Amino acid sequence: SQTIHQWPATLVQPVGSPLSLECTVEGTSNPNLYWYRQAAGRGLQLLFYSVGIGQISSEVPQNLSASRPQDRQFILSSKKLLLSDSGFYLCAWSGGRWSSYEQYFGPGTRLTVT
Amino acid sequence: QQPVQSPQAVILREGEDAVINCSSSKALYSVHWYRQKHGEAPVFLMILLKGGEQKGHEKISASFNEKKQQSSLYLTASQLSYSGTYFCGTPAIKAAGNKLTFGGGTRVLVKP
Repeated sequence: SQTIHQWPATLVQPVGSPLSLECTVEGTSNPNLYWYRQAAGRGLQLLFYSVGIGQISSEVPQNLSASRPQDRQFILSSKKLLLSDSGFYLCAWSGGRWSSYEQYFGPGTRLTVT
Repeated sequence: QQPVQSPQAVILREGEDAVINCSSSKALYSVHWYRQKHGEAPVFLMILLKGGEQKGHEKISASFNEKKQQSSLYLTASQLSYSGTYFCGTPAIKAAGNKLTFGGGTRVLVKP
C-alpha cells in the first residue's frame, strides 16, 4: 500500500531564516506530487505541483520554491521566511495517467514564523 | 476559478441529515470530495466521474449533475464522527498534473 510521509510535524522559525520541508511517498512510482498551504481556518491553496523529476509548476508567486530531486521526493524551500509564510503545509500525491487522480495527503507540517 | 460551496457551516444533532453543495462556473468532468478533521490532513472521500452518478462512503453519498455544473454531498443520519470541514475539488479539463481547485470548505459540527 502507498504511504506518504512529511517532516517535521511542527516547526517554529524566526523571520528571515531558511526553510526546508520534505515529503516522500512509498509504494507507488511516477506519482504527481503537490504542495498546499492552509492558513488557520481557511481553505487549501495549491503552491506547487510536479508530474516528474525536476518538473515543477508554480501556482502562486511567493517566497517559496520546490524541487523534486527523486521520483518520490518533494521538497519545499525558502531562503528567507516571512511572517505570512506561517500555516499548515500539506504534501499530497496522486496516481498517474491511468488513475482517477484522487489525491492523498500527508500528515502536514505546522509552521509558525515568529 | 474556485468552486463555490454552500453552506459555509452547518450544525447538526446526531441522526440529522444535511446537504452540502458545490457549484462551478466552468464545465466539470469530475468532482472530488474530502473531509478534514480539526488539526488533521484532508482525507479523500469519493470522486464523481459521470453526470448524475451517485456514490457512497459510509452513510455519506454524493451526486454530480454535469449539466448544472454542480455536486451535492449528503450526510444521512449523521454521526459524531462526521464533524469536520468538507471540501470539494474540481480539476480543469485535461489540466496538467491533474491539479485540483478546492472550494472554500463547509464546516460541519455534529452534536450529541
